[in-house]
Amino acid sequence: AQSVTQPDIHITVSEGASLELRCNYSYGATPYLFWYVQSPGQGLQLLLKYFSGDTLVQGIKGFEAEFKRSQSSFNLRKPSVHWSDAAEYFCAVVPNAGNNRKLIWGLGTSLAVNP
Amino acid sequence: DTAVSQTPKYLVTQMGNDKSIKCEQNLGHDTMYWYKQDSKKFLKIMFSYNNKELIINETVPNRFSPKSPDKAHLNLHINSLELGDSAVYFCASSQGRGGRANSPLHFGNGTRLTVT
Repeated sequence: AQSVTQPDIHITVSEGASLELRCNYSYGATPYLFWYVQSPGQGLQLLLKYFSGDTLVQGIKGFEAEFKRSQSSFNLRKPSVHWSDAAEYFCAVVPNAGNNRKLIWGLGTSLAVNP
Repeated sequence: DTAVSQTPKYLVTQMGNDKSIKCEQNLGHDTMYWYKQDSKKFLKIMFSYNNKELIINETVPNRFSPKSPDKAHLNLHINSLELGDSAVYFCASSQGRGGRANSPLHFGNGTRLTVT
């Protein structure tokens, strides 16, 4: 079955440290890829997306993500984390083939930031 | 100027009651959605409407009935509420007919439903 895996359920980093959140998908063709962030008590907000072209994409709030076809991954990175980055992060994928183009969500990674 | 707004923000009710959640978007989007997020943060799509037409109807109990009076509004009515309905319900919208695969979603801030 088509799936999106976020291996890390919970991550804690210190403020100012670098961050990488992992996302893997199980499709043959390159899907459309998204990262969303959910701050406490809020709805989800799009951080960045990848459809084609340059495999390193820049998003809002200083985030970037790199698509690696060979690893079926789309990991999210930030060089220096701020306390306000504490939130839930969701990777989502739309298969780029077939009739079923529904968004498939990962289970999320909860990020805590220590002062 | 909230892009996707849903009301109420909190809803506490007893089992067996009927309740509604309202959603409005001012982005001019053609497609609107209802998502359910459980206590483990898992997101599950429930319904999707494109310009008042139902296009996605996942395996959701018949007690849940969406209504779209126009393309800017999508309401969710729930009959005979059960304990398991307790969750956060998110409304979202996206551009394009049929919710184009590459169109990002814009979410409301959610309605936290607690059934006692």
